[in-house]
Amino acid sequence: NAGVTQTPKFRILKIGQSMTLQCAQDMNHNYMYWYRQDPGMGLKLIYYSVGAGITDKGEVPNGYNVSRSTTEDFPLRLELAAPSQTSVYFCASETGAGVPYGYTFGSGTRLTVV
Amino acid sequence: AQKVTQAQTEISVVEKEDVTLDCVYETRDTTYYLFWYKQPPSGELVFLIRRNSFDEQNEISGRYSWNFQKSTSSFNFTITASQVVDSAVYFCALSDYYGQNFVFGPGTRLSVLP
Repeated sequence: NAGVTQTPKFRILKIGQSMTLQCAQDMNHNYMYWYRQDPGMGLKLIYYSVGAGITDKGEVPNGYNVSRSTTEDFPLRLELAAPSQTSVYFCASETGAGVPYGYTFGSGTRLTVV
Repeated sequence: AQKVTQAQTEISVVEKEDVTLDCVYETRDTTYYLFWYKQPPSGELVFLIRRNSFDEQNEISGRYSWNFQKSTSSFNFTITASQVVDSAVYFCALSDYYGQNFVFGPGTRLSVLP
């Protein structure tokens, strides 16, 4: 049981480049989330999804896009990377089939934009 | 709107001391869930406990205990006889009944010194 898998673990981007952070879960969870955590700070919600084909903005969506074509995958796309997007990105999932049990988090992607 | 406050930004204790991490929340919901997560220096986020709003019993798990007081909207976390391995950032979180609206506190950084 892999849980939530994020790839890559580390990445360095140049300003203006684009990339996709991958997130996959094998627990058949309905809800999936993307958070960013800036150094020494808490978690800020970027986007979330309550099911395949349904996505919605969180607190800090600017500069990002998401899609949810399957229950398992929830990729996060960065267009035109900026230094302000240097952060650690966490993907999480929650069952969404009744009461919440608590997020299962991926191990994170550390992104540096130079 | 839901909100979680962790007033203690950083705490330092000496090994074997007891330490309490405070969490105060705000919600208009009558049914909700509270959580604690641990983020050790390695960076992953680890689920510690879930508590629903109808269950005000305190919970103890080894050296960890949680005190939920609905009257003061608090869900405090106590570590007894702290150890160096307890050094981490601890996040308190609040969820609505369905798990869609999930709010994290800013975290408390605990340093346990040998």
